[in-house]
Amino acid sequence: DTEVTQTPKHLVMGMTNKKSLKCEQHMGHRAMYWYKQKAKKPPELMFVYSYEKLSINESVPSRFSPECPNSSLLNLHLHALQPEDSALYLCASSHPRTDTQYFGPGTRLTVL
Amino acid sequence: KNQVEQSPQSLIILEGKNCTLQCNYTVSPFSNLRWYKQDTGRGPVSLTIMTFSENTKSNGRYTATLDADTKQSSLHITASQLSDSASYICVVSARGSTLGRLYFGRGTQLTVWP
Repeated sequence: DTEVTQTPKHLVMGMTNKKSLKCEQHMGHRAMYWYKQKAKKPPELMFVYSYEKLSINESVPSRFSPECPNSSLLNLHLHALQPEDSALYLCASSHPRTDTQYFGPGTRLTVL
Repeated sequence: KNQVEQSPQSLIILEGKNCTLQCNYTVSPFSNLRWYKQDTGRGPVSLTIMTFSENTKSNGRYTATLDADTKQSSLHITASQLSDSASYICVVSARGSTLGRLYFGRGTQLTVWP
């Protein structure tokens, strides 16, 4: 299995809602990442987990809360988002000894 | 400052024609360079990866070149197809960099017309 999967594919939420994005990989990768990508812009790194521990938080607002329950799963919990948070959210994974990242298909998030 | 610049920003070609996309970087010390293809609304998919010692690498109709002295890379697409319409992103990593720290170019938006 050489895939990173993400659910849901699309999500529309109000500013008072609480929702979660999910990411899963079964490649044995021990590093997992969340990126945010706005239209026509490169992905921006949000969080990095290494061996299920948060190793990088790129000063992301607390309304985004990551969680890595095990080595295959990565969640991003969303609460009280703003319309400007609307974007494509990408998950990626890599083996810790290489930096080749494999990206999932993304979740298209719209905040109303 | 570590940067990755790509040109052109956008490109339109006719189906069956060839094209070349450019990437210049200032990332140092250099580790490797990747070209990704990203369809609209989808995640990036790796096309090639090149390390310091590699000059050319091919993946089907895609051929990447790297000149580590001038810090330039190119991606050549041969006999373009409609499905090649996508954004092509150049991504560079630095040796010894913090886990996950990749430097992304802004991409070249390629449109292939029939």
